[in-house]
Amino acid sequence: AQSVTQLDSQVPVFEEAPVELRCNYSSSVSVYLFWYVQYPNQGLQLLLKYLSGSTLVKGINGFEAEFNKSQTSFHLRKPSVHISDTAEYFCAVSALTGGGNKLTFGTGTQLKVEL
Amino acid sequence: GAGVSQSPSNKVTEKGKDVELRCDPISGHTALYWYRQSLGQGLEFLIYFQGNSAPDKSGLPSDRFSAERTGGSVSTLTIQRTQQEDSAVYLCASSPPPGLRETQYFGPGTRLLVL
Repeated sequence: AQSVTQLDSQVPVFEEAPVELRCNYSSSVSVYLFWYVQYPNQGLQLLLKYLSGSTLVKGINGFEAEFNKSQTSFHLRKPSVHISDTAEYFCAVSALTGGGNKLTFGTGTQLKVEL
Repeated sequence: GAGVSQSPSNKVTEKGKDVELRCDPISGHTALYWYRQSLGQGLEFLIYFQGNSAPDKSGLPSDRFSAERTGGSVSTLTIQRTQQEDSAVYLCASSPPPGLRETQYFGPGTRLLVL
């Protein structure tokens, strides 16, 4: 079984400051890693994903994440945030089980960007 | 193109009543997933469809929950004899063939409130 830990439930940050949202995972098999963003009253939108290859993954809206196998981490970063980045961010993992690609999510991190 | 759509967007029901939630995946997507998002449990996997079959139903919380998919397209999640703990946002996602490592595209969700 897989599990995901997002230690920070809320992260306040000022506009134009850098931010890092932490994600650690646990799995006995190889996993694929994802970050999704959820804006209020909307569904989930994929920010980026790691399947294989380069451990630094770039996504939409200027976000990037680095896969660190030894630390079992996949932290999300952005060098300069904007007010519009205020949203909830979910880290997720998947492994091939039962022929599917079901996602196991962390509990989410609420990013609040302030002026 | 059109994304994943879900209906109704909101549903209020009385305890003990049955409800049906509908998901229209993106055309051509063979894999379909249902998730539940609740305050107490976060985002949880419910069931996975590949075509019309459901090889993974491991997330359904009780036998009051069932789902079907017809024509390899529309899916319906049915909750019988609803309980207050069923109150949550029910999210549907679909992914294209081969449905293994591909991104899951999420719908906006159905917000269910059981009084």
